[in-house]
Amino acid sequence: AQTVTQSQPEMSVQEAETVTLSCTYDTSESDYYLFWYKQPPSRQMILVIRQEAYKQQNATENRFSVNFQKAAKSFSLKISDSQLGDAAMYFCAYNPGANSKLTFGKGITLSVRP
Amino acid sequence: EAGVAQSPRYKIIEKRQSVAFWCNPISGHATLYWYQQILGQGPKLLIQFQNNGVVDDSQLPKDRFSAERLKGVDSTLKIQPAKLEDSAVYLCASSFSLTGRNGYTFGSGTRLTVV
Repeated sequence: AQTVTQSQPEMSVQEAETVTLSCTYDTSESDYYLFWYKQPPSRQMILVIRQEAYKQQNATENRFSVNFQKAAKSFSLKISDSQLGDAAMYFCAYNPGANSKLTFGKGITLSVRP
Repeated sequence: EAGVAQSPRYKIIEKRQSVAFWCNPISGHATLYWYQQILGQGPKLLIQFQNNGVVDDSQLPKDRFSAERLKGVDSTLKIQPAKLEDSAVYLCASSFSLTGRNGYTFGSGTRLTVV
């Protein structure tokens, strides 16, 4: 069974600084998809970034980028130039692609200090 | 485009009562999902529909939970009777494709409190 592990329950970052959120996963598949979702207090899950496992190039979306290490089954999210609006829960998620079931980690609470 | 609509936003009920949640996905999205998110945990899939057919309901507690998606558009999730451990946020999501490889679009969820 696929599992997604986020071992850090909380992190804090100073505004304008950079922070990295960690995620590891377990799978026997060779082709799959990985996601980071943001959940602010409004509860709506917002897609931050997506990575296809067969692509070696790390995905980037503006201030958000990932470090995808397929052999190590690691998928970390880097947030550059942190802003107050980045404060939220962040979830790492895995999709095997054969069906669309998303498996989520437990999430990490990110706070941003002004 | 309009997002995934869910109602109600909040619901408080006593244990053993029944409750229903409603979801209207993005127009044209064939796949609809219901997730349960208990406080401090990541969302867990309850049921997945492709059009009006069930694709995966392996983690749905079928003795008390039921869901339907008549006409392949909006969906309702029902709990009867509710237990204290059903207190959670119930998230609905939709995707255009069956594989969901581009991610889902989520609604704002319904926060259920069972007292």
